[in-house]
Amino acid sequence: AQSVTQPDIHITVSEGASLELRCNYSYGATPYLFWYVQSPGQGLQLLLKYFSGDTLVQGIKGFEAEFKRSQSSFNLRKPSVHWSDAAEYFCAVAGGSGNTPLVFGKGTRLSVIA
Amino acid sequence: DGGITQSPKYLFRKEGQNVTLSCEQNLNHDAMYWYRQDPGQGLRLIYYSQIVNDFQKGDIAEGYSVSREKKESFPLTVTSAQKNPTAFYLCASSDYRHNYLDTEAFFGQGTRLTVV
Repeated sequence: AQSVTQPDIHITVSEGASLELRCNYSYGATPYLFWYVQSPGQGLQLLLKYFSGDTLVQGIKGFEAEFKRSQSSFNLRKPSVHWSDAAEYFCAVAGGSGNTPLVFGKGTRLSVIA
Repeated sequence: DGGITQSPKYLFRKEGQNVTLSCEQNLNHDAMYWYRQDPGQGLRLIYYSQIVNDFQKGDIAEGYSVSREKKESFPLTVTSAQKNPTAFYLCASSDYRHNYLDTEAFFGQGTRLTVV
């Protein structure tokens, strides 16, 4: 069974600083990987996804993620954080094909300070 | 606008009562999902359905029930058997493509259930 680990529960960064959120997955075959963002009391919005091909994936809001098979990782990055990026971020994996349910990590809460 | 609608946004119920959470989508998606979110726990899968009139249990199905009589609708009932029902509930749907690529789950805005 697939699983996702987000090692950092809470991260605080200064506005304008770079950001990296870690995600490690466990799955036997090639996984489908996703990063979602959630504002308080809201649903989840997809930032980016990886299925195959180029291991560096570009998403919305200036985010990118890199798939590293050798490290079973899919870390999310942003070169310069804005105060509006403060939210909770979830990494997710889907195995198999088509409409299989996503398995989520426990999330990383991002705080942005001036 | 296409999307997923969950209602109500906030729901209060007395302990021992069953309650049904609504989830409707107009995206023409085959698959629908229910997740439960608790602080520090991420999202945990309750039930999912990949086709009308069929559904499967997720990781934490005990105390919950669902139906999928229409493609657009996937209501979740929280029964009195659920030991700790107070939580944030999220519904999602996804598109099924034969090449298994370019699929993603779209989420509703959630229902916060409080049982007193």
